[in-house]
Amino acid sequence: AQSVTQLGSHVSVSEGALVLLRCNYSSSVPPYLFWYVQYPNQGLQLLLKYTTGATLVKGINGFEAEFKKSETSFHLTKPSAHMSDAAEYFCAVSVNTGNQFYFGTGTSLTVIP
Amino acid sequence: EAQVTQNPRYLITVTGKKLTVTCSQNMNHEYMSWYRQDPGLGLRQIYYSMNVEVTDKGDVPEGYKVSRKEKRNFPLILESPSPNQTSLYFCASSPLRGSYNEQFFGPGTRLTVL
Repeated sequence: AQSVTQLGSHVSVSEGALVLLRCNYSSSVPPYLFWYVQYPNQGLQLLLKYTTGATLVKGINGFEAEFKKSETSFHLTKPSAHMSDAAEYFCAVSVNTGNQFYFGTGTSLTVIP
Repeated sequence: EAQVTQNPRYLITVTGKKLTVTCSQNMNHEYMSWYRQDPGLGLRQIYYSMNVEVTDKGDVPEGYKVSRKEKRNFPLILESPSPNQTSLYFCASSPLRGSYNEQFFGPGTRLTVL
């Protein structure tokens, strides 16, 4: 079975500071990994995904994430936080042997002016 | 505009009164799915469908039914809602099998069962 752990349900950063949101997964087969963002009162939208190939993936709005198989991690980073980055972020995993998706519990990002 | 729509957006009902939340997508996607979002639990998959007349249980299917008679529609049915089904529900769709593809989410339906 697959599972996703997001460390830190709430993260606060100053505007302009580095954003680091942590995601660890457990999977018995090679996973597909996703980061989604949810703005207040909206549905989720994809930030980035890893399927195969390059382990450093770039997404929208300056975010990127690195797949580290040895650490079973897929942490999300952004070099410089912007006020508009304040939202809830979800890490998710699926595997190619099935069509189920497993989401983490989410991390709420606050950006302090 | 490519989108996933859900209706209603907000619903307050009472225990035991059957209800249906509709979901429709206009992107000709094969894969559709329902999730519930609860504080501290993230999103949990209820049911998913890989194509017309093909549905499968997700992690939390108890108390829910779905049907996929048309490609664009994937309604969620609560035959006898209970207070523990109070939640925020999202429908999503994806092209092809969905495992490695982006899911497109609807705006959500906030359900309260009294």
